[in-house]
Amino acid sequence: ETGVTQTPRHLVMGMTNKKSLKCEQHLGHNAMYWYKQSAKKPLELMFVYNFKEQTENNSVPSRFSPECPNSSHLFLHLHTLQPEDSALYLCASSQTNPGSYYEQYFGPGTRLTVT
Amino acid sequence: QKEVEQNSGPLSVPEGAIASLNCTYSDRVSQSFFWYRQYSGKSPELIMSIYSNGDKEDGRFTAQLNKASQYVSLLIRDSQPSDSATYLCAVLQYAGGTSYGKLTFGQGTILTVHP
Repeated sequence: ETGVTQTPRHLVMGMTNKKSLKCEQHLGHNAMYWYKQSAKKPLELMFVYNFKEQTENNSVPSRFSPECPNSSHLFLHLHTLQPEDSALYLCASSQTNPGSYYEQYFGPGTRLTVT
Repeated sequence: QKEVEQNSGPLSVPEGAIASLNCTYSDRVSQSFFWYRQYSGKSPELIMSIYSNGDKEDGRFTAQLNKASQYVSLLIRDSQPSDSATYLCAVLQYAGGTSYGKLTFGQGTILTVHP
């Protein structure tokens, strides 16, 4: 595997379900990100983990719960979602050491539909 | 006022022409600037990064940055139908030390290259 991978690629869930999205990066980066992309809206940053520590929670509802066990893996746990949470969820990673350029590389995304 | 602003388009150019995509940003401390290409149903792909005033060329792509005017642009020479996509401008504010630096995206410009 190369780059940033995400599973599953597609997910349909009911409002009472619990599911998890998984992201793995093979780039040796130290920061990982969750973004939400809805139709007609700019990419929205949700969470940031830098060296496994959460450094940003962009006012995301508690029904979204991130987990970062190490610098290569990132999860997004989902529970009691709403239909408006249907979107493309993107994971990204970057290097953030001094002197790096903070270029973020994205995974293929998970297309989530909440019914 | 939007932090990163792009014309949503669509921008339509004939094959072989130069496509010009523009982006303005509001935060003067922004330090790094990126262009991503996103095909329909796919995730964003980093195509250009620029950090200092002036032009940066990579193949058919040229990024231009003017920090005094808070303006960044992307030129695509000899446009091809395969360049048809949404182009996202992203602006990074360096937060110092080992922190991640927040990346803010514009809403994207839809480019169509017609044969």
